[in-house]
Amino acid sequence: DSGVTQTPKHLITATGQRVTLRCSPRSGDLSVYWYQQSLDQGLQFLIQYYNGEERAKGNILERFSAQQFPDLHSELNLSSLELGDSALYFCASSVETGVSPLHFGNGTRLTVT
Amino acid sequence: SQELEQSPQSLIVQEGKNLTINCTSSKTLYGLYWYKQKYGEGLIFLMMLQKGGEEKSHEKITAKLDEKKQQSSLHITASQPSHAGTYLCGADGNTDKLIFGTGTRLQVFP
Repeated sequence: DSGVTQTPKHLITATGQRVTLRCSPRSGDLSVYWYQQSLDQGLQFLIQYYNGEERAKGNILERFSAQQFPDLHSELNLSSLELGDSALYFCASSVETGVSPLHFGNGTRLTVT
Repeated sequence: SQELEQSPQSLIVQEGKNLTINCTSSKTLYGLYWYKQKYGEGLIFLMMLQKGGEEKSHEKITAKLDEKKQQSSLHITASQPSHAGTYLCGADGNTDKLIFGTGTRLQVFP
């Protein structure tokens, strides 16, 4: 058990809808990362927050947004969903940004129909 | 942008055999991480290498970092079915984001 909690585990929704994925980092970790994993793209970095502030941005679509709250949990919002958004979404956390290992949650499997 | 290439893409070995997975970076490595992922599950952190020439072991898995070659290798000795899964290398490339290779899928048969 990595200590990172993601909810829900599975999500099935229709195109055009909006969903929110939730992540609770390990106790003491200030940094939260979001990744998308699909069969054809592999594991893609989306965005990182550190202690409530956006720290780094990857290939995150404009339809996607995220935030980290004062209690350090994070949410990833996906809107105007398309079939191609179907993927596993992982949250990871680390003690600090930079050279500390990331600890991953078990992911949220999103299926857009 | 930095890219990580892993080889081989997949590997099928008989239980008890040794194997090596390689990870090559297109840019300077400032830190290299190895993870294991079982299908549909989260990534499990195995080990982190930070200095050139560094070598670390976790049970029967050993990883080395060759800074000059911008490369890391992961070696499994006497493979077991429990070693099956996808192994991914990750690197931070002196930025805050961690990027990952495409993974090496390992199957171990009795």
